[in-house]
Amino acid sequence: DQQVKQNSPSLSVQEGRISILNCDYTNSMFDYFLWYKKYPAEGPTFLISISSIKDKNEDGRFTVFLNKSAKHLSLHIVPSQPGDSAVYFCAASDRGSTLGRLYFGRGTQLTVWP
Amino acid sequence: DAGVIQSPRHEVTEMGQEVTLRCKPISGHDYLFWYRQTMMRGLELLIYFNNNVPIDDSGMPEDRFSAKMPNASFSTLKIQPSEPRDSAVYFCASSLLGGSQPQHFGDGTRLSIL
Repeated sequence: DQQVKQNSPSLSVQEGRISILNCDYTNSMFDYFLWYKKYPAEGPTFLISISSIKDKNEDGRFTVFLNKSAKHLSLHIVPSQPGDSAVYFCAASDRGSTLGRLYFGRGTQLTVWP
Repeated sequence: DAGVIQSPRHEVTEMGQEVTLRCKPISGHDYLFWYRQTMMRGLELLIYFNNNVPIDDSGMPEDRFSAKMPNASFSTLKIQPSEPRDSAVYFCASSLLGGSQPQHFGDGTRLSIL
């Protein structure tokens, strides 16, 4: 059962525009959320995270928004650059749990074209 | 700092052969995770360890799969006997404090079973 869902397998955006990647989750116990970026032939790399006590976290061109009531988070990339073309994974965890694992979505392939 | 190191990067072998994948986590990390990525199922968690002890192996697909962590700096994932449907990219990741911190991934082992 997929507890973290990324319903858009792909997104295509023009360079300079905003990219918005979406993620939904079902487990109300999740309190820590992360985004990873993955290039071909490489492992996923951590991009940005947010705790459930916040609704926004910003790091340069990347901003993550969290809507707890809707169980929804999004990653905004502004402005988008061709080097941002990659697969983006959303992940979540319940830090109160002793299990210590992350739950990943299936990923969204972002293509930024010139 | 050295990241998570996986070996081999690529493995091609015939059905029925034993396959051993290796992982060296980041020094000081107390959690180690094994994932498998396929087109059909995305990024699946197979098993993870905390302080060298297996915590959850419910993602291990069959008894043909086994994983060990004999010490804090080394883990193996073994498939015996291997089958064509085991073909995938296998990732190892490590973290501090489990789900409270980002996981750091290796670059994966691309496994092809002929």
